[in-house]
Amino acid sequence: KAGVTQTPRYLIKTRGQQVTLSCSPISGHRSVSWYQQTPGQGLQFLFEYFSETQRNKGNFPGRFSGRQFSNSRSEMNVSTLELGDSALYLCASSPVGRGPVTDTQYFGPGTRLTVL
Amino acid sequence: QQQVKQSPQSLIVQKGGIPIINCAYENTAFDYFPWYQQFPGKGPALLIAIRPDVSEKKEGRFTISFNKSAKQFSLHIMDSQPGDSATYFCAASRKRGSSNTGKLIFGQGTTLQVKP
Repeated sequence: KAGVTQTPRYLIKTRGQQVTLSCSPISGHRSVSWYQQTPGQGLQFLFEYFSETQRNKGNFPGRFSGRQFSNSRSEMNVSTLELGDSALYLCASSPVGRGPVTDTQYFGPGTRLTVL
Repeated sequence: QQQVKQSPQSLIVQKGGIPIINCAYENTAFDYFPWYQQFPGKGPALLIAIRPDVSEKKEGRFTISFNKSAKQFSLHIMDSQPGDSATYFCAASRKRGSSNTGKLIFGQGTTLQVKP
């Protein structure tokens, strides 16, 4: 099975712009979670989607949003970019609802976002 | 109460040594405790995970020890190799079906260097 894929892998934007990141989960996985990784704050949960519905959200401002499509692919959007948004954005998929092991999350390689 | 505290921040061992990384949590609602390994430029990869109903779990050279009463768990890497040099993260999450579904709370990470 192919792993979690994220596009693009690298992105450079300037302050005030907006950005959309894409994530394709492992085939058959219906849950997608997003995390932000920075040297100072570590790995922080952004939100989780399941069956096109956001089920959980972390403590991030409303500039961070996401959505999930019927094929389980997910996108996250950051509007009005700030310098502090520079980070590695990670997507993880989980086989929720398929067998007893439903908590396991498998991560993609991430998108490295640099805001200038 | 949502934090997971990880120590040490960095660790250097000789090849063949047994590095031990420790994590502590406060929230007794956590019931899933995975460990992830991350190499530079890559996303975190699941190593091994444990639930509170067992005190130890081994997978290959990796062992998790879990102390429910102390709310602590640790990762032991047996016969460590230079290829194990990476950053290791512990994490915790609540049982799926609760209000915090799909949310992993991560420790701050431990950078391990295994010298040849």
